[in-house]
Amino acid sequence: DAGVIQSPRHEVTEMGQEVTLRCKPISGHDYLFWYRQTMMRGLELLIYFNNNVPIDDSGMPEDRFSAKMPNASFSTLKIQPSEPRDSAVYFCASSPGTGAEKLFFGSGTQLSVL
Amino acid sequence: GENVEQHPSTLSVQEGDSAVIKCTYSDSASNYFPWYKQELGKRPQLIIDIRSNVGEKKDQRIAVTLNKTAKHFSLHITETQPEDSAVYFCAATLRGGSEKLVFGKGTKLTVNP
Repeated sequence: DAGVIQSPRHEVTEMGQEVTLRCKPISGHDYLFWYRQTMMRGLELLIYFNNNVPIDDSGMPEDRFSAKMPNASFSTLKIQPSEPRDSAVYFCASSPGTGAEKLFFGSGTQLSVL
Repeated sequence: GENVEQHPSTLSVQEGDSAVIKCTYSDSASNYFPWYKQELGKRPQLIIDIRSNVGEKKDQRIAVTLNKTAKHFSLHITETQPEDSAVYFCAATLRGGSEKLVFGKGTKLTVNP
């Protein structure tokens, strides 16, 4: 298995632009998580899905952020409009078992908003 | 709110020495405590985890201990090697469930040859 696959690896955009981050979880994993990592705030949970259904989006910072999981093999995190403070590494992770136990992280998307 | 405090933020040891990283948590219902290792520019990877019904767990050179009464848990790395150099994150589940993890801020471990 190739593991959790995220794209793009790097994204540089200008303030106000729409950004879409993509994730393909490991096949058979029922849970998918989106995390954001910054030096100041560490790893923060944004939203997670169970069997493609969003369970908890309380970590989504603002209405500018939205996430979807149209099927078991694909999820997107969208930021519209983007702002410089959104600059961070965004990780997608999936897990095979119960909830957040034994997370498998993707390689992350380094987002820079100028 | 629920949080996980991790100390120290940086740790430097000589190759062959032991390293200890400590975390405290606030939610007494937390029942699952994983540790992740993140090398520079890479993804976090699970290295060891422990459940609340176990006091200690070992895997070769790494071990984790849990004190539920005091609400703290620790990562122990023995016979450190340069390839152990990385940022280590502890985490704890929230409110007795297993679906939400709160991470500590991380400890940057440097093992000097």
